[in-house]
Amino acid sequence: DVKVTQSSRYLVKRTGEKVFLECVQDMDHENMFWYRQDPGLGLRLIYFSYDVKMKEKGDIPEGYSVSREKKERFSLILESASTNQTSMYLCASSLPFGGQKNNYGYTFGSGTRLTVV
Amino acid sequence: RKEVEQDPGPFNVPEGATVAFNCTYSNSASQSFFWYRQDCRKEPKLLMSVYSSGNEDGRFTAQLNRASQYISLLIRDSKLSDSATYLCAVKPYSTGGFKTIFGAGTRLFVKA
Repeated sequence: DVKVTQSSRYLVKRTGEKVFLECVQDMDHENMFWYRQDPGLGLRLIYFSYDVKMKEKGDIPEGYSVSREKKERFSLILESASTNQTSMYLCASSLPFGGQKNNYGYTFGSGTRLTVV
Repeated sequence: RKEVEQDPGPFNVPEGATVAFNCTYSNSASQSFFWYRQDCRKEPKLLMSVYSSGNEDGRFTAQLNRASQYISLLIRDSKLSDSATYLCAVKPYSTGGFKTIFGAGTRLFVKA
């Protein structure tokens, strides 16, 4: 069974801490994404990567950075955690886009519920 | 205006009912369309892609109306296990397909 694995299911961090969220996929997917999901706001894209060492900003990149040193791993970093970053963080991966592959959706990890106190 | 909009619901229906959700999108250059299902406190899972000619998967039927810029999901013979939040997703061609935009979801409760 193909998988996207997020390292932590629940995380509690203090304001100002540097936080690392890890995501690993075993599907050899080129594209990886980080979203956050908040009630009423839906899924909002933070960063994505379409190749190793490549990264692109999404809609809400402020306060976050990412790292993709290996194809299977995409890390999200909260440089200095703040209470407004309390959220559900979802990692996803997908095949590269083009042709019929555009009709393939995303595979999501089970999410990390982060609370910043 | 949001790029992808859904009625948040909730839709409360009895078992066996037929229920339909719509989702509107604003970018006419949108290329690919999807429905995801998300159970409470779980991740979204792809339910089905939506093709131009419409497509069916068991009790689920998805339709695309490009002229009016909406997609729909029809669930026939609803089961208790269909209770979930249904997210529509749109992949605009203009962004090269990298950025899928999700609606905030429609909640469905199926009651015995």
